[in-house]
Amino acid sequence: SQQGEEDPQALSIQEGENATMNCSYKTSINNLQWYRQNSGRGLVHLILIRSNEREKHSGRLRVTLDTSKKSSSLLITASRAADTASYFCATDAGSGGYNKLIFGAGTRLAVHP
Amino acid sequence: SQTIHQWPATLVQPVGSPLSLECTVEGTSNPNLYWYRQAAGRGLQLLFYSVGIGQISSEVPQNLSASRPQDRQFILSSKKLLLSDSGFYLCAWSRAPSGTGVRKTGELFFGEGSRLTVL
Repeated sequence: SQQGEEDPQALSIQEGENATMNCSYKTSINNLQWYRQNSGRGLVHLILIRSNEREKHSGRLRVTLDTSKKSSSLLITASRAADTASYFCATDAGSGGYNKLIFGAGTRLAVHP
Repeated sequence: SQTIHQWPATLVQPVGSPLSLECTVEGTSNPNLYWYRQAAGRGLQLLFYSVGIGQISSEVPQNLSASRPQDRQFILSSKKLLLSDSGFYLCAWSRAPSGTGVRKTGELFFGEGSRLTVL
């Protein structure tokens, strides 16, 4: 079963706008990660946030984590057409899991020039 | 630097035929290895993971099997493919946790995927 659920399923914006994607999960976690996938390609790691962290930045990316609500958000600021891709959250499945990440269904982001 | 190779990139197979997808990792030792499947427009489903040679954990009962004959080689197989086996298969590796009692998973590094169509 899916651990993470992304919202929205699809997002269409103009270049220069910000894009916000949300992720909810069900069980306790050690960390939460965000990945990007260009169409037909493998996934690329973007950022990892640990369960004891609340916010993390990497370039134009900002990730927040609220463990009380079991949710995370990924913000891409000043989006570019090259940001068009699918974005997935993944959770390290806490005490019930070992050495494995469980992925959500992803958000498809389209950034129009 | 570490690299991951996955092949073949594309495969079209008839129902009932066998399957072998191969994945190798270079530039690291004792990696954790994973096979994921992605249905069209969907998320990733974890199929198998391995923490060492000959150690395979299956996440989903299915028509597929995995083997790890060498430290950096991971193979996904089937004796008889079903239509429902069609999908995009992704191999990935991660660094094994260091220290005792550490169970956390770090960053995954993915291959470019193998697209399987079963007709």
